Amino acid sequence: ELKVEQNPLFLSMQEGKNYTIYCNYSTTSDRLYWYRQDPGKSLESLFVLLSNGAVKQEGRLMASLDTKARLSTLHITAAVHDLSATYFCAVDKSKDMRFGAGTRLTVKP
Amino acid sequence: DAMVIQNPRYQVTQFGKPVTLSCSQTLNHNVMYWYQQKSSQAPKLLFHYYDKDFNNEADTPDNFQSRRPNTSFCFLDIRSPGLGDAAMYLCATSKGSVFLNSYEQYFGPGTRLTVT
Repeated sequence: ELKVEQNPLFLSMQEGKNYTIYCNYSTTSDRLYWYRQDPGKSLESLFVLLSNGAVKQEGRLMASLDTKARLSTLHITAAVHDLSATYFCAVDKSKDMRFGAGTRLTVKP
Repeated sequence: DAMVIQNPRYQVTQFGKPVTLSCSQTLNHNVMYWYQQKSSQAPKLLFHYYDKDFNNEADTPDNFQSRRPNTSFCFLDIRSPGLGDAAMYLCATSKGSVFLNSYEQYFGPGTRLTVT
């Protein structure tokens, strides 16, 4: 069974600091996704990672994928308040989509 | 321009009274998904359609059904809603084409279902 573990579940950080969110999954997968969700809102796609060693960056967020370790990371650089949200990773195995529990990020001034 | 539209945005139904949620898309995507997301939890995939090919998750209750009459529309039917079915229901689409390498999912705004 495909399982996805995300940590930390809660993250409080100060503006300007760096931090990494981790996403581990249990079996080989086809694709790995990162999403952002603001309270009461739907999901916004951030990154789709398709192959080992893939790295994608958008603004202060950078995602990477190590398929051998079954690990993806979402790195936050110089956090700003606008990044406060819940971040989910999800893994796709033959369109069986499994989400991690989510990381609730709060960026404080 | 809205690409994935869900109606209604808020739905209140009574315990045991059938309810239908709708999703439409203007992206002409092959794949449409329905997710259930309960408060402070991750989205859970209920089922998806690849074109007309229906794929049900093993642990999706029989109480949940879906219809996709054409490419643009997909419906979620809850035959006898229980209190535990109160949640946000999210519809998503993806191109689903291996050759185009387009797997990104586009989510609708969601329908928040309340069961009284």
